[in-house]
Amino acid sequence: GAVVSQHPSWVICKSGTSVKIECRSLDFQATTMFWYRQFPKQSLMLMATSNEGSKATYEQGVEKDKFLINHASLTLSTLTVTSAHPEDSSFYICSANHAGTGRNEQYFGPGTRLTVT
Amino acid sequence: RKEVEQDPGPFNVPEGATVAFNCTYSNSASQSFFWYRQDCRKEPKLLMSVYSSGNEDGRFTAQLNRASQYISLLIRDSKLSDSATYLCVVNKLVFGAGTILRVKS
Repeated sequence: GAVVSQHPSWVICKSGTSVKIECRSLDFQATTMFWYRQFPKQSLMLMATSNEGSKATYEQGVEKDKFLINHASLTLSTLTVTSAHPEDSSFYICSANHAGTGRNEQYFGPGTRLTVT
Repeated sequence: RKEVEQDPGPFNVPEGATVAFNCTYSNSASQSFFWYRQDCRKEPKLLMSVYSSGNEDGRFTAQLNRASQYISLLIRDSKLSDSATYLCVVNKLVFGAGTILRVKS
């Protein structure tokens, strides 16, 4: 149990276009999901906390108008990178909070590798 | 000072060796601690939570030292499959940069 999927697993897009990444909790409901970005040989950096039915909470330095987050249901959160630029190329990982286990554990999606040319 | 710091390694050890990593944290009010494992180009997977009294799961032992503000992970009888990057996580959302472990035959 506690499976989180992401789609797409990798994407290449041209500079200036927008890319949407989906994060789904497949066998549990997640009122809270998290979006991270990881550059090569660096740690995961929390970008934002996605709350079902309300606005996302963004970390300092993350532009909310550039990284649009929508958490419309208990099993789906989406991250849209708008007007992507080469510096947005990174590994984007989501995680979902599984409160049902009683231990409030996070489960990660497999990640989406974005390359902007 | 970074909120969570780890020695990036790599730690190169032979099979069967015992290896230990430390991770220091700056926020003395931190309440929850975890070790995650991340394989190359994959998502992190929870290895174990770290409890105040220390805890063990098979070959893996985790310890918390609140006075010195660090957590540790000890791996006994290293296997080739233990080769990965080990991330310490504080308060569920703050990740260290990871320690690379390479176990060689």
